Amino acid sequence: NAGVTQTPKFRVLKTGQSMTLLCAQDMNHEYMYWYRQDPGMGLRLIHYSVGEGTTAKGEVPDGYNVSRLKKQNFLLGLESAAPSQTSVYFCASSYGREITDTQYFGPGTRLTVL
Amino acid sequence: GESVGLHLPTLSVQEGDNSIINCAYSNSASDYFIWYKQESGKGPQFIIDIRSNMDKRQGQRVTVLLNKTVKHLSLQIAATQPGDSAVYFCAEKGSNYQLIWGAGTKLIIKP
Repeated sequence: NAGVTQTPKFRVLKTGQSMTLLCAQDMNHEYMYWYRQDPGMGLRLIHYSVGEGTTAKGEVPDGYNVSRLKKQNFLLGLESAAPSQTSVYFCASSYGREITDTQYFGPGTRLTVL
Repeated sequence: GESVGLHLPTLSVQEGDNSIINCAYSNSASDYFIWYKQESGKGPQFIIDIRSNMDKRQGQRVTVLLNKTVKHLSLQIAATQPGDSAVYFCAEKGSNYQLIWGAGTKLIIKP
């Protein structure tokens, strides 16, 4: 059981470039989430998905798009990267059906936009 | 709006002593709270949770206390060890089971 994995671990982009972050989970979880974490702060929700083929906006969705074509994968896209998107990105997953369902996190992707 | 906040950004504790990390929340209707531990360079890891119908819950070396009257919760770590060094976050389950996070408290263990 690998849990939640994220690729890549590190990435440097120039302003205006695009990229996709991949999240995969092998726990058969329904819910998946993308967060960003800026220095000295808690996590903020970007987008989330409550099941295959569904996505929804979180607290800070602007500048990002997501897709959930397969239940085990959740992709986060940056179409035109900006320096303000320099952050650490975390993916999480949970069964989601009960309020007490735990969110399990991946190791994170550190993104720098120059 | 909803918010979850922590009182202190950094807490230094002698190895072997007990640690107490505090957290305040603003939404009196909040029903479920979680504590996460984040070690350097890693993703957050679940420690313990508590529902609003409880005022105390114990785990292995950790205890969470919830005071709904003053909208405050705390995480107590017994006999703090070097491996406890991390940033600790409290989080609240909001609508659609989204997590609302506080800013975090960095726990430093002194030898």
